[in-house]
Amino acid sequence: QSALTQPPSASGSPGQSVTISCTGTSSDVGGYNYVSWYQQYPGKAPKLMIYEVSKRPSGVPDRFSGSKSGNTASLTVSGLQAEDEADYYCSSYAGNNDLIFGGGTKLTVL
Amino acid sequence: QVQLVQSGAEVKKPGASVKVSCKASGYTFTAYYMRWVRQAPGQGLEWMGWINPNSGDSNYAQKFQGRVTMTRDTSIRTAYMELSRLTIDDTAVYYCARDRGDTSLTSWGQGTLVTVSS
Repeated sequence: QSALTQPPSASGSPGQSVTISCTGTSSDVGGYNYVSWYQQYPGKAPKLMIYEVSKRPSGVPDRFSGSKSGNTASLTVSGLQAEDEADYYCSSYAGNNDLIFGGGTKLTVL
Repeated sequence: QVQLVQSGAEVKKPGASVKVSCKASGYTFTAYYMRWVRQAPGQGLEWMGWINPNSGDSNYAQKFQGRVTMTRDTSIRTAYMELSRLTIDDTAVYYCARDRGDTSLTSWGQGTLVTVSS
């Protein structure tokens, strides 16, 4: 299986919104509502930000939202803040209890 | 609170094996699958496989089949990942992570750096 496709980078100014895409196939993203998004700071473990396409774990700001259309999932960060600068990874269930990750997107807050 | 504490950094020679441990606390160990994920330097996340701590059943990503073994010891609430026939390309941080039940990973260990060098 190939990794899910994410743009290598994204950027926005404080207060703006930015959307990161995650493209897969009908065998993963398009086939299941089990897309997750993770935030990772350098040298730290990833943190779950979104699960089941659009649900937020307790404690994650509602500035973070997720959606899906067809084989592409998206993470939107609204009201960008300096602390949102990090790497973001999507993942999807891929059948047979398999999991697949995206290549990651480096989000820069200008 | 949920905590996953992994074993310390390792340095191995090519061809050797490494075994990383992941001790769980703060929840019922046998109630949640544990997944293992690795991250090579400057690279993205790569899923390696999972283990069901209740049954001991495991499943591995195709890339690692034949080289990885995931086990657990329920008496000490610890999961293990052993990777054999190491190459330079196996140099990475290895993470254990608790599966929420829908493949989302809610809690992560701190990571274990495995360096493969001759």
